[in-house]
Amino acid sequence: QKEVEQDPGPLSVPEGAIVSLNCTYSNSAFQYFMWYRQYSRKGPELLMYTYSSGNKEDGRFTAQVDKSSKYISLFIRDSQPSDSATYLCAMRKGAGNTPLVFGKGTRLSVIA
Amino acid sequence: NAGVMQNPRHLVRRRGQEARLRCSPVKGHSHVYWYRQLPEEGLKFMVYLQKENIIDESGMPKERFSAEFPKEGPSILRIQQVVRGDSAAYFCASSPPNSPLHFGNGTRLTVT
Repeated sequence: QKEVEQDPGPLSVPEGAIVSLNCTYSNSAFQYFMWYRQYSRKGPELLMYTYSSGNKEDGRFTAQVDKSSKYISLFIRDSQPSDSATYLCAMRKGAGNTPLVFGKGTRLSVIA
Repeated sequence: NAGVMQNPRHLVRRRGQEARLRCSPVKGHSHVYWYRQLPEEGLKFMVYLQKENIIDESGMPKERFSAEFPKEGPSILRIQQVVRGDSAAYFCASSPPNSPLHFGNGTRLTVT
């Protein structure tokens, strides 16, 4: 079983829809959870950074972490064509600078 | 305020040649990470360095690959005697202590 599982999609939604992106993981040692957005031929860009269980909201984006289920989510409200990208979940064990473990990424298309 | 700078953006090498990929971290960031991304795959960790030290190279192939982050100058990922399977996008990221990673836009290596 991979440490981090993420459905690669592709996911296609109409403009204005609520998008739900998810990852599951197997290692309970993961403590810090991140979502990155990657446009074609660009580097990943940090969207959300959360510690342990709970919710975090930033504008149209909400990140949720459920450590008991080993499940994290990213919600995008009022999706825009400019949100079309690949979304990568990432996580790390403990504090410090241990390397991030990434999911494969979900490709999202928002259709105008 | 420059982000992580990687060069070259594109690199073409024939089988058996050497590839050198450079990464200048965000000013003030003392931690550098190298990741590799294959088509339809997530980011795979290769190596984590601090100035003049390799902290974790558990993701680096044992042969032909090496990395350094000297006291002065950029971090270098070096691939000797490249093979077709080395063709990928190589991303560098940097961070201050205990913080998320900031990525560059990558170097796309093509081995012919």
